[in-house]
Amino acid sequence: QKEVEQDPGPLSVPEGAIVSLNCTYSNSAFQYFMWYRQYSRKGPELLMYTYSSGNKEDGRFTAQVDKSSKYISLFIRDSQPSDSATYLCAMSAGKNTDKLIFGTGTRLQVFP
Amino acid sequence: NAGVMQNPRHLVRRRGQEARLRCSPMKGHSHVYWYRQLPEEGLKFMVYLQKENIIDESGMPKERFSAEFPKEGPSILRIQQVVRGDSAAYFCASSPRPGQFYEKLFFGSGTQLSVL
Repeated sequence: QKEVEQDPGPLSVPEGAIVSLNCTYSNSAFQYFMWYRQYSRKGPELLMYTYSSGNKEDGRFTAQVDKSSKYISLFIRDSQPSDSATYLCAMSAGKNTDKLIFGTGTRLQVFP
Repeated sequence: NAGVMQNPRHLVRRRGQEARLRCSPMKGHSHVYWYRQLPEEGLKFMVYLQKENIIDESGMPKERFSAEFPKEGPSILRIQQVVRGDSAAYFCASSPRPGQFYEKLFFGSGTQLSVL
């Protein structure tokens, strides 16, 4: 079993839709949870990160962490064609390292 | 302020040759991480280095792979006697200090290694 599971998609939605992306994990030591966006042939760029459980909102993006269920989500409101990319969840136990454990990524396509 | 610079962007090698991938961290960053991304897979941690020190190489294959981050110059990921299975995108990330500052962890654009 992988430490982090993520549905690879692809997920195809119309412009303006609400997108829900999810990851599950097995390691209860994870405390830091991140979502990265990766465009084709580019490096990942950080969208959101949260510590422990709870919600965090930034513009059209909301990240949720449920540590009791070992489940994290990223919601994108009013999705745009420019949001078309691969979204990677990543996690870390912290403790003086930026060693991240990534999900496989979900490919999102937002069509006009 | 330049970001994390990786070169070359694309590297083609024949089986048995050596591959050298370079990573210049962002200015002021002294911690470097290498990740590998195989087709249809997520990024996998390979190695974490500080200047002149390997801190964690738990993700590095035991043979043919090595990494360094000298006092001067870029970090180098070296793959000897490459095989087709080494074909992947290799990403470098840097941060000013480790842990709990993920907003300061930046990735380069990667080196795509193709082994013929």
